[in-house]
Amino acid sequence: AQSVTQPDIHITVSEGASLELRCNYSYGATPYLFWYVQSPGQGLQLLLKYFSGDTLVQGIKGFEAEFKRSQSSFNLRKPSVHWSDAAEYFCAVGPRYSSASKIIFGSGTRLSIRP
Amino acid sequence: EAGVAQSPRYKIIEKRQSVAFWCNPISGHATLYWYQQILGQGPKLLIQFQNNGVVDDSQLPKDRFSAERLKGVDSTLKIQPAKLEDSAVYLCASSPGTGVNTEAFFGQGTRLTVV
Repeated sequence: AQSVTQPDIHITVSEGASLELRCNYSYGATPYLFWYVQSPGQGLQLLLKYFSGDTLVQGIKGFEAEFKRSQSSFNLRKPSVHWSDAAEYFCAVGPRYSSASKIIFGSGTRLSIRP
Repeated sequence: EAGVAQSPRYKIIEKRQSVAFWCNPISGHATLYWYQQILGQGPKLLIQFQNNGVVDDSQLPKDRFSAERLKGVDSTLKIQPAKLEDSAVYLCASSPGTGVNTEAFFGQGTRLTVV
């Protein structure tokens, strides 16, 4: 079955500290991979996406993610977090060979920033 | 560039009542999605339109939910009759093309509370 697992429901890090949010997926083949951020009361904003090529992907707001095929993982990282990064983060996967989008989202990780 | 517009932002109804949500996608975007996001979960795709045709509605509870996209522009999602478990945020998104290799832009969502 296709699924996305974000094992950490809630993470708190200090401002200026590094961050890693975990994402594992189960899929028939290598999917497209996405990270979205959702601030309170806002819609989802795409941080970055992986389709092919370099497995280290750079995104907006200083975020990056690394695709590891052997581990079926696509973890999100940021070297130094800012208070404005407090939000909900969603990992998502989608099929490469389908006309239907069917993006599957994980349950999300809520990030809190300690001053 | 104007984003995806949704209305209303909030709605409270009693169970067994009906409700409708409206979405105006980004101009020129052919693909429109409706997602349901229950508290504590990731968004779940309800229906995807390509222009005014349905691409995927496999997860739409068709006994009570309906959606249309007349003229391939704005869209409405209706629930009739509503159940308590329909309480969620309903997100509309649009993208320029089909498939997941194009970014989906999300609206702010409509928060529905069924009491």
